[in-house]
Amino acid sequence: QSVLTQPPSVSGAPGQRVTISCTGTSSNIGADYDVHWYQQLPGTAPKLLIYSNNQRPSGVPDRFSGSKSGASASLAISGLQSEDEANYYCATWTDSLNGYVFGTGTKVTVL
Amino acid sequence: EVQLLESGGNLIQPGESLRLSCAASGFTFSRHAMNWVRQAPGKGLEWVSSVSGSGGITFYADSVKGRFTVSRDNSKNTVYLQMSSLRVEDTAIYYCAKERALYDFRSALDVWGRGTTVTVSS
Repeated sequence: QSVLTQPPSVSGAPGQRVTISCTGTSSNIGADYDVHWYQQLPGTAPKLLIYSNNQRPSGVPDRFSGSKSGASASLAISGLQSEDEANYYCATWTDSLNGYVFGTGTKVTVL
Repeated sequence: EVQLLESGGNLIQPGESLRLSCAASGFTFSRHAMNWVRQAPGKGLEWVSSVSGSGGITFYADSVKGRFTVSRDNSKNTVYLQMSSLRVEDTAIYYCAKERALYDFRSALDVWGRGTTVTVSS
């Protein structure tokens, strides 16, 4: 059972900006562990989108940005495009499990 | 090119065992921890297990602890997941994923395989 809470879905028109929240607790995000974000396109494996709260791997467009504050984090997608339709997951490490915990996932729909 | 290729998934009955493999290429395998993550049909991602670069440190999710064993053979650039006493709820796509940073956990999973499907059903 995930301990990181995300909204089930968000939507926006092409070109708009959407944000996805990821709420944790004092034992994971609030314990100063970095938050990472993954994008999973339909029928494919997850792909690392943001690591260490706000860092983009090579090849990820700068339309994607991440932030973290306290026990929560956010992913923002600006200039929304049809190819951004996917499921997005946050994740962090937790010492209570000695492992990763993933968020509940958010489906992004481009209207 | 950095690649991960899982194999070993199958249809098996509850209580049986299965071993998954993940062959890595394109990076210095022994310097990176490796992870297994699964995804049940229509569900989200669930971390399963991590193993350090040397293989000496392992971690497991509570849902598989005592039933699954992760190991690696650095001479073959391969990580394994031995699964026993399998349950219907273990049905999922199992992904192998590489830890981003050297000699560390927690740094994010930057390369994923395509996954292998395990179906546990009578």
